[in-house]
Amino acid sequence: DQQVKQNSPSLSVQEGRISILNCDYTNSMFDYFLWYKKYPAEGPTFLISISSIKDKNEDGRFTVFLNKSAKHLSLHIVPSQPGDSAVYFCAAKGSARQLTFGSGTQLTVLP
Amino acid sequence: EAQVTQNPRYLITVTGKKLTVTCSQNMNHEYMSWYRQDPGLGLRQIYYSMNVEVTDKGDVPEGYKVSRKEKRNFPLILESPSPNQTSLYFCASSILGDRTSYEQYFGPGTRLTVT
Repeated sequence: DQQVKQNSPSLSVQEGRISILNCDYTNSMFDYFLWYKKYPAEGPTFLISISSIKDKNEDGRFTVFLNKSAKHLSLHIVPSQPGDSAVYFCAAKGSARQLTFGSGTQLTVLP
Repeated sequence: EAQVTQNPRYLITVTGKKLTVTCSQNMNHEYMSWYRQDPGLGLRQIYYSMNVEVTDKGDVPEGYKVSRKEKRNFPLILESPSPNQTSLYFCASSILGDRTSYEQYFGPGTRLTVT
């Protein structure tokens, strides 16, 4: 039973447009959420995070939104660039700093 | 340069032949962890360590062992590898005392194939 779900395995977006990646979770005890980006043959790299006491966090072109009542978070990338093409994982923190990851979404930004 | 290193990057082995994947970090992080990545399942935690000599099971620990004798190293041991342990493995580390950030830093990955 996956506690963190990314229901879209892939997403294609035109360069300059907005990319929206979604993530749902089931465990209400998660108190911190992170997004990671992964390029082929590399390890995941941290992108942006949000505490459960907030509903929005912004860092440059990246914004993460958290809807606790819906147990849903999303990552917005505006404007999207070809270099953003990668697999994006959402992760949720539970006890003992343990991160539970979603299955990932492959984003392709078309020039 | 702050980094997490893993060796080897690629490994093909046969069922039952013991192997060790090394992980080392140079950031003085207390927390270290091992994950495996499989298609459609994302990253799943195998074992983690909160400090030297302190280790605990993650979500999928069966068939794996770890040790944490030094702060910088956290090797993953497969005593008798089986084909279902064919996967992409990542080591990660993070600061333990920082309660404002739970970011984990990942190594480049080890692609393991067990035939």
